Order: sequence, then C-alpha cells, then structure tokens
Amino acid sequence: GESVGLHLPTLSVQEGDNSIINCAYSNSASDYFIWYKQESGKGPQFIIDIRSNMDKRQGQRVTVLLNKTVKHLSLQIAATQPGDSAVYFCAERGGSNYKLTFGKGTLLTVNP
Amino acid sequence: DAGVIQSPRHEVTEMGQEVTLRCKPISGHNSLFWYRQTMMRGLELLIYFNNNVPIDDSGMPEDRFSAKMPNASFSTLKIQPSEPRDSAVYFCASSLADSRNQPQHFGDGTRLSIL
Repeated sequence: GESVGLHLPTLSVQEGDNSIINCAYSNSASDYFIWYKQESGKGPQFIIDIRSNMDKRQGQRVTVLLNKTVKHLSLQIAATQPGDSAVYFCAERGGSNYKLTFGKGTLLTVNP
Repeated sequence: DAGVIQSPRHEVTEMGQEVTLRCKPISGHNSLFWYRQTMMRGLELLIYFNNNVPIDDSGMPEDRFSAKMPNASFSTLKIQPSEPRDSAVYFCASSLADSRNQPQHFGDGTRLSIL
C-alpha cells in the first residue's frame, strides 16, 4: 500500500527459474512507472518503464505488467541468473509533477 | 557513455563539520535530483532542479541543507552543520525533461557517516 511498500520483502529463487516481483501503488493519478535494480554499493539502475496507457511491456528477459484497476505493478524476470540478485524498486510518478515515489524495495536472492 | 558521477564516494566526518557532496549529471540532461536513502525511510527526494533552477525543495530536511546548480553540468548538496542523523547514502539522478516519460538515471551515491 502507501505509495509502494512498507518493509523490505524478500524473494529467493533458484537459478534458471522465473521471478515475479510485485508492487502495489496508491496514487490512481500516477501515469508512469519504472522498475529499478540496486546492487550493493551502487545506485538504482533503470531496468524498464511503462506508461499508464499500456498494460504490458517487454524488455530483454524482463516484462512489466500494469493493472490499473487494482493499482498493481509486477516485474517478471525470465531465467533468473545469480547476477540478478539485488534489491528491486518500483517507482511511480503522479499525474501532475515530475516527482518519483519509490517503494522500499524487494530483495531478490538467486541461488545457484 | 558516462553516467551520473558523484563525489566523494565515501565521507566520514565529525558532527558540526560542513559536508559538500558533488554531482555531474549526464550530458544533455536538464533535470537533476538529489535523494537520500536510509534503511528506515528508503529513498527520499530532497530537491529537484530543472534547467539549473530549483523547482521543488520541499524534501530538504531543514535549513542545514542547501543545494546549488551553478551550471548544467554540476550540482552540490551541502550540509552545515552536519549531525549524526544525516548519516545516509545520498544519490544524485538526472533525466531529460523533454517529456514527462523519461526515467531518472542515478549515480552510485555518496555514503556519508557523521560521527
């Protein structure tokens, strides 16, 4: 809830499995959403974005799904690799300004 | 391509001292953001510049914090005097604001510890 996340949830997967990271947002006026990956000691790295007039967007090994009805965003990572281990943040931008609101993130651990 | 460059990467100083964090945005980007990240509060926007002009500084904690952007390729965030509760990782991000649907690109941050 509350503009994306409260405490840091964790997801542990086996190498080669698909991962799904979920995010709930609260602002129905948000019209642009971004997923970031943050590795230890580094800044958030842009992965993929989606506009509110779309419900799905695909990148290389990643897919973002947007369900505006229930204000839910998900990031799917295909064939998860150890290098995918990181904290993943979703961010939303409200309809009236440039400010991004970030969730607390999800820690993804990929087991070899 | 050079990304957002921040310096220093780490800063340890005693409370009461002045701290200056520096940022060089991606060339051609005209929006710049300063964030603070802590375990308790996550990523918080401190200030947003567009075309070197501060647009939104509502996230700046208090008067001890100030930010400047004297030109399109440089920004500073200053804390004076610093306090232990300012300890955090500070990120700078930039984006191209020709449309609203452009992602922000982050630097690798400055890890600040105030003793």
